[in-house]
Amino acid sequence: NAGVTQTPKFRVLKTGQSMTLLCAQDMNHEYMYWYRQDPGMGLRLIHYSVGEGTTAKGEVPDGYNVSRLKKQNFLLGLESAAPSQTSVYFCASSFVLRDRSSYEQYFGPGTRLTVT
Amino acid sequence: AQKVTQAQTEISVVEKEDVTLDCVYETRDTTYYLFWYKQPPSGELVFLIRRNSFDEQNEISGRYSWNFQKSTSSFNFTITASQVVDSAVYFCALSDLTNTGTASKLTFGTGTRLQVTL
Repeated sequence: NAGVTQTPKFRVLKTGQSMTLLCAQDMNHEYMYWYRQDPGMGLRLIHYSVGEGTTAKGEVPDGYNVSRLKKQNFLLGLESAAPSQTSVYFCASSFVLRDRSSYEQYFGPGTRLTVT
Repeated sequence: AQKVTQAQTEISVVEKEDVTLDCVYETRDTTYYLFWYKQPPSGELVFLIRRNSFDEQNEISGRYSWNFQKSTSSFNFTITASQVVDSAVYFCALSDLTNTGTASKLTFGTGTRLQVTL
């Protein structure tokens, strides 16, 4: 099992450009998440998905869009990149327990994005 | 609103010393989960432990131990006989069950950077 993979690992964008980050998991997890990690701020949830075809906003959703067309993939899009979106982006996935809570989240290796 | 506080930004110890990383949380939920993750210099996030709010038993796993005290809303992590390979950023996180049927979202602390030197 590859677990959670992210593509690309690194990317440099100019302000105003767009891009899509791809997250894939092979563990048949229902829940998937996108976080950003900034120095001194821990990880903050951008968007998440509780299943194929559904998405919801997290703590810092502005400037990002997501899609979950297939259960194993969760895409994060930046329509018009800004320097404030320079960050490390982590994707995660988790099982669903019977009480609909989720088990621990398994994280991908991260994507380091720089917007100039 | 949920909150996780890791007041120690950075800790430096010499190998073989014991070290405790503090985690204090705030939540209005009676049912919740607490986690610790390790982020080594390579950058990936490694799951260490999950504890639910009904289980206050301390846990030991090799050189790692966790002390969960509901009365003080703390979930502290101790590394015994630290090693250089323990050098990493450690995150404490809290997950709620506020919304049945939705994903339990993790609220992370800001992390504690542990540096273990020879």
